[in-house]
Amino acid sequence: EIVLTQSPTTMTASPGEKVTITCRASSSVSYMHWYQQKPGASPKPWIYETSKLASGVPDRFSGSGSGTSYSLTINNMEAEDAATYYCQQWNYPSITFGSGTKLEIK
Amino acid sequence: EVQLVESGGGLVQPGRSLKLSCAASGFTFSNYYMAWVRQAPKKGLEWVATISTSGSRTYYPDSVKGRFTISRDNAKSSLYLQMNSLKSEDTATYYCARAIAAIPRYYFDYWGQGVMVTVSS
Repeated sequence: EIVLTQSPTTMTASPGEKVTITCRASSSVSYMHWYQQKPGASPKPWIYETSKLASGVPDRFSGSGSGTSYSLTINNMEAEDAATYYCQQWNYPSITFGSGTKLEIK
Repeated sequence: EVQLVESGGGLVQPGRSLKLSCAASGFTFSNYYMAWVRQAPKKGLEWVATISTSGSRTYYPDSVKGRFTISRDNAKSSLYLQMNSLKSEDTATYYCARAIAAIPRYYFDYWGQGVMVTVSS
């Protein structure tokens, strides 16, 4: 089973700040996917296939990476971006998620 | 509009069974892999089960293998999760999710609202 390690676990950012969340895999994976979850709500697909934005996701978000290292970046943090973000990978036959990064607004 | 609506959750004693259902609408259900993902209170996401379009192939993590069974009824656009020998650590919100399984691309593009399962005596 591939283990995904997200960092940081929690972070606080000011409006307008650039934010980077990292997801490291214990073995190489082909793609990384990201979800946003706010309290009391279901996870939402956010970035898929490493760098493609899901429908409705603002273009201040971006995703990148390859092999064992992937990241989600927010340019110009906004209050509505405060949430927990999870990375996810598939490696036959299992699916694993990272433990999540809780992003708060300062 | 794609909708996934879970039902069947509740309070159950350790060692007992429970069956969750997920009613799908707004898309051709039989064309998609489906899955269950759970989230223990204040914890992260954990994949629980996946089923192929026809139902002929199923996949589970070790934590539930042999205890949980995923199934589907394409005629009813419904997904199920039979949970047996429940443990306290199975307490979680269970989400039904539609999967995009264009291997090696595999991710969840729609999620239900979730149903709570509490395992306690």
